[in-house]
Amino acid sequence: DAGVTQSPTHLIKTRGQQVTLRCSPISGHKSVSWYQQVLGQGPQFIFQYYEKEERGRGNFPDRFSARQFPNYSSELNVNALLLGDSALYLCASSLEPNYGYTFGSGTRLTVV
Amino acid sequence: QKEVEQDPGPLSVPEGAIVSLNCTYSNSAFQYFMWYRQYSRKGPELLMYTYSSGNKEDGRFTAQVDKSSKYISLFIRDSQPSDSATYLCAPQGGNQAGTALIFGKGTTLSVSS
Repeated sequence: DAGVTQSPTHLIKTRGQQVTLRCSPISGHKSVSWYQQVLGQGPQFIFQYYEKEERGRGNFPDRFSARQFPNYSSELNVNALLLGDSALYLCASSLEPNYGYTFGSGTRLTVV
Repeated sequence: QKEVEQDPGPLSVPEGAIVSLNCTYSNSAFQYFMWYRQYSRKGPELLMYTYSSGNKEDGRFTAQVDKSSKYISLFIRDSQPSDSATYLCAPQGGNQAGTALIFGKGTTLSVSS
């Protein structure tokens, strides 16, 4: 079975640009969460979606937005990129919100 | 005070050693306690999942949760070079986000052969 897949694996963007990251959960998983991991830190919660509805949002500015599609895949959008947005963006899926999460390998975003 | 505190290490041990990794947390409402292992350039991998206080054993790994002292531990017996990774504790539940994982900084472990 395929695990959580994220695309792209790496990308480089310029300050002020916009980026869209994509995530496909494990088949049958209806909950998708997004995390940001800055080098040397643990992952920090950005969003959680369950059954296509937002179930939680972390302490991130409105430049960050996300959505979940009918097939439970998800997109994370970041507008007006800042240098500080450079990080590994992780997607995690689970059967339901209060359960163990399986993470993808992440998208490494570099903002220059 | 951060919600989850974890000594980042690095921690270096010889092969076969018993390793103890620890976290403290501040939110008494946390109900679920996870330990993740993360290899370089990879996403975190779920190792152990514990509900409320108590012990849970899985092979060479034992997770302990003491909710009265807000203390989480992971023990690795007979450590192997393949255990070299960053270990992240992650309580869940009770904060505004409800089911978000709240990660510690992670402890980097190096097991030498």
